[in-house]
Amino acid sequence: SQQGEEDPQALSIQEGENATMNCSYKTSINNLQWYRQNSGRGLVHLILIRSNEREKHSGRLRVTLDTSKKSSSLLITASRAADTASYFCATDAATGANSKLTFGKGITLSVRP
Amino acid sequence: EPEVTQTPSHQVTQMGQEVILRCVPISNHLYFYWYRQILGQKVEFLVSFYNNEISEKSEIFDDQFSVERPDGSNFTLKIRSTKLEDSAMYFCASSPTAVANVLTFGAGSRLTVL
Repeated sequence: SQQGEEDPQALSIQEGENATMNCSYKTSINNLQWYRQNSGRGLVHLILIRSNEREKHSGRLRVTLDTSKKSSSLLITASRAADTASYFCATDAATGANSKLTFGKGITLSVRP
Repeated sequence: EPEVTQTPSHQVTQMGQEVILRCVPISNHLYFYWYRQILGQKVEFLVSFYNNEISEKSEIFDDQFSVERPDGSNFTLKIRSTKLEDSAMYFCASSPTAVANVLTFGAGSRLTVL
């Protein structure tokens, strides 16, 4: 599998439900980030978790990181139709002068009103 | 809210033609990137740029590709002789720092090579 591989590939839920998306990676990282992409648009940064952090919250988002399992999860609570988008995890494993994010294929989230 | 702007939003070109994709990063950002996303595939790193030179490039970024910051505001990606497989969405991004950086992406330029 590739660095930054998300699952499931697609998720369909009812508005108000929670959405959980997972990401696995292979190499050591400095941090892991989640981005969102609306159809035909650019990626928007959601949240960053550093390798020495285990959990982070931002509004309705909760991200966890388990470096021993090389995995992360993104939880969106109380989902809304506007959360419909593709979600990507991106790992930052830079050892040099600047970071290079490696993205997964993304998870397509559909929230039904 | 400052944003990264990209032009054109969509370009259609014939195979073998040169293409230049333009980006205006956020003004106080120092690090610039190009990524691409082939339809239905993952977002792939192409190149990073700092202090007027390439910091890192991927295997995709062969000698058909070049980047330039010609005037201190624009950041361009040139593909010298396009191939069918260059058809993709190209995203420009910038960040203020290099450490634990959060990238701000543009909306993308869709390139279609016929």
